[in-house]
Amino acid sequence: DGGITQSPKYLFRKEGQNVTLSCEQNLNHDAMYWYRQDPGQGLRLIYYSQIVNDFQKGDIAEGYSVSREKKESFPLTVTSAQKNPTAFYLCASSIDGQDRTYEQYFGPGTRLTVT
Amino acid sequence: AQKITQTQPGMFVQEKEAVTLDCTYDTSDPSYGLFWYKQPSSGEMIFLIYQGSYDQQNATEGRYSLNFQKARKSANLVISASQLGDSAMYFCAMREPTDSWGKLQFGAGTQVVVTP
Repeated sequence: DGGITQSPKYLFRKEGQNVTLSCEQNLNHDAMYWYRQDPGQGLRLIYYSQIVNDFQKGDIAEGYSVSREKKESFPLTVTSAQKNPTAFYLCASSIDGQDRTYEQYFGPGTRLTVT
Repeated sequence: AQKITQTQPGMFVQEKEAVTLDCTYDTSDPSYGLFWYKQPSSGEMIFLIYQGSYDQQNATEGRYSLNFQKARKSANLVISASQLGDSAMYFCAMREPTDSWGKLQFGAGTQVVVTP
């Protein structure tokens, strides 16, 4: 079955530690995205990548970093510089990041708690 | 400025009844795409329906239809014959060509609870 996997589902970290969230897709999609969701709110874009080895900052990129070395993988690192890292993180992909018609498919999400 | 506005934070609907979820948007681009997603309590986002700004007809997908009023910048989701499994958070979202098509901008969502 094609889809997007995110691991782990729940992640706990101590303040001051960097943590990397995994996102893998086997849909052969060119574009991948990371979103953050806080309780009772919509999604906000952190980073997105339209092709391998290229990515752009979204609306709330500060304190986060990404890489796109392979088409299938788009890991997100939450650094110690992120002031409020506790949130629900969703990874998504779409066939083409250049066309308005293509929907984004989402992974199951990772719930990160930093104490 | 808020690009997508969903004014209904939550609503109750009885099983088998229809429900309309409001969404208004703000853009100066003539070309854009509008999406609705469903988020159950498990957290995953499920794509429901798409409407393009140049589409002449309202989009429909099974029990979901989109009431697209371009002049009013409104894209309301209609769920017909509600089922208990429709209980979830519903998000309206928009893609526009600004900064390429990379961004999908979401509203704050509407929580729907379907009662027996």
